[in-house]
Amino acid sequence: AQSVTQPDIHITVSEGASLELRCNYSYGATPYLFWYVQSPGQGLQLLLKYFSGDTLVQGIKGFEAEFKRSQSSFNLRKPSVHWSDAAEYFCAVAVDRGSTLGRLYFGRGTQLTVWP
Amino acid sequence: EADIYQTPRYLVIGTGKKITLECSQTMGHDKMYWYQQDPGMELHLIHYSYGVNSTEKGDLSSESTVSRIRTEHFPLTLESARPSHTSQYLCASSERGTQNTGELFFGEGSRLTVL
Repeated sequence: AQSVTQPDIHITVSEGASLELRCNYSYGATPYLFWYVQSPGQGLQLLLKYFSGDTLVQGIKGFEAEFKRSQSSFNLRKPSVHWSDAAEYFCAVAVDRGSTLGRLYFGRGTQLTVWP
Repeated sequence: EADIYQTPRYLVIGTGKKITLECSQTMGHDKMYWYQQDPGMELHLIHYSYGVNSTEKGDLSSESTVSRIRTEHFPLTLESARPSHTSQYLCASSERGTQNTGELFFGEGSRLTVL
């Protein structure tokens, strides 16, 4: 069965520091991978996605993620964190893109705190 | 910016009451979903719909029901609320067919507390 693991429940970084949020997935075929962000009191917003091709994908708000098949990982990175990046981040995998379902499986999320 | 709306945003209600959480989208999306979100847990899919008059249960068993009479509207109903139903409920939608990029557009959520 497909699953997504986000090993870090809570990460704290200083403003201006670099950031890496980890995500590992379990799925036999090539996955379709996503990172979503949820600010307090808001719904989830798509940051970036990987379907195929270049394994380094760029997203909104200066985020990027790298797909590593050998490690079954899709880690999210940002070189310099801003206070407004404080939020909860969810990694997700889709296993039937293009089907009538389009289902996503989500990890438990990583809560990011940014110190000024 | 996504155009998907949920009401109410917050609801506190007593045990045994019937509640309906509303979800509407103006993007013309065929697919709509309800997820349940609890702190520190994965988002769990509880209902989804391919289009009008199509509804299916998701991965997580839920006592709620849904309907899809109009493309833009996907309400969730609990006939008799219990404290175990306390949670945040997220509605989402996505495109269908060749335009489906896998991206879900989420509403801001409805936080339900049952006393």
